[in-house]
Amino acid sequence: KAGVTQTPRYLIKTRGQQVTLSCSPISGHRSVSWYQQTPGQGLQFLFEYFSETQRNKGNFPGRFSGRQFSNSRSEMNVSTLELGDSALYLCASSLAGTGGPSEQFFGPGTRLTVL
Amino acid sequence: EDQVTQSPEALRLQEGESSSLNCSYTVSGLRGLFWYRQDPGKGPEFLFTLYSAGEEKEKERLKATLTKKESFLHITAPKPEDSATYLCAVTMYGGATNKLIFGTGTLLAVQP
Repeated sequence: KAGVTQTPRYLIKTRGQQVTLSCSPISGHRSVSWYQQTPGQGLQFLFEYFSETQRNKGNFPGRFSGRQFSNSRSEMNVSTLELGDSALYLCASSLAGTGGPSEQFFGPGTRLTVL
Repeated sequence: EDQVTQSPEALRLQEGESSSLNCSYTVSGLRGLFWYRQDPGKGPEFLFTLYSAGEEKEKERLKATLTKKESFLHITAPKPEDSATYLCAVTMYGGATNKLIFGTGTLLAVQP
């Protein structure tokens, strides 16, 4: 069974630009969550999508947005990039509906560097 | 404030030297506690989920336990390939089902 895939794996952008990252969950998984990982802050929750609806959002500015498609694939977008947005962006998928938590499986991440 | 704290921040062991990593949590209502392993430049790899105090799970040289305030990841007779960052995370009642709150991790180095 294929794991979570993320594209692109590496990205270099300059301040002020925008970027779109993509995530394909494990087949059959309907929940997709996004996390930002930095050396200073560790792993922080960005948002979660389930059945094309945003179920929760972390404490990030509105420049960070996302969406989920009917096939459960998800994208996140960061507009007006800042130097501090340089990070590893991780996507995680799980089966979980509304019945409680289930294991989340992470992709390899997209390394974003903002110059 | 909901918080997850891991200790130690870093641990260096000799091959075969058993030890434990700690994850303490302060959350309003624990729904589940998760352990992950992360290698440099890669995404976290799922290890265990624990749901209730007293629960234990094992996988090869790793054993995870849970109490009402903390979890331990016991590593028995580690090998160099066990070197990685070990992350602890929790989900809570009352919030999004899948939102994980992570600790900052323990960087484990096992020397041959």
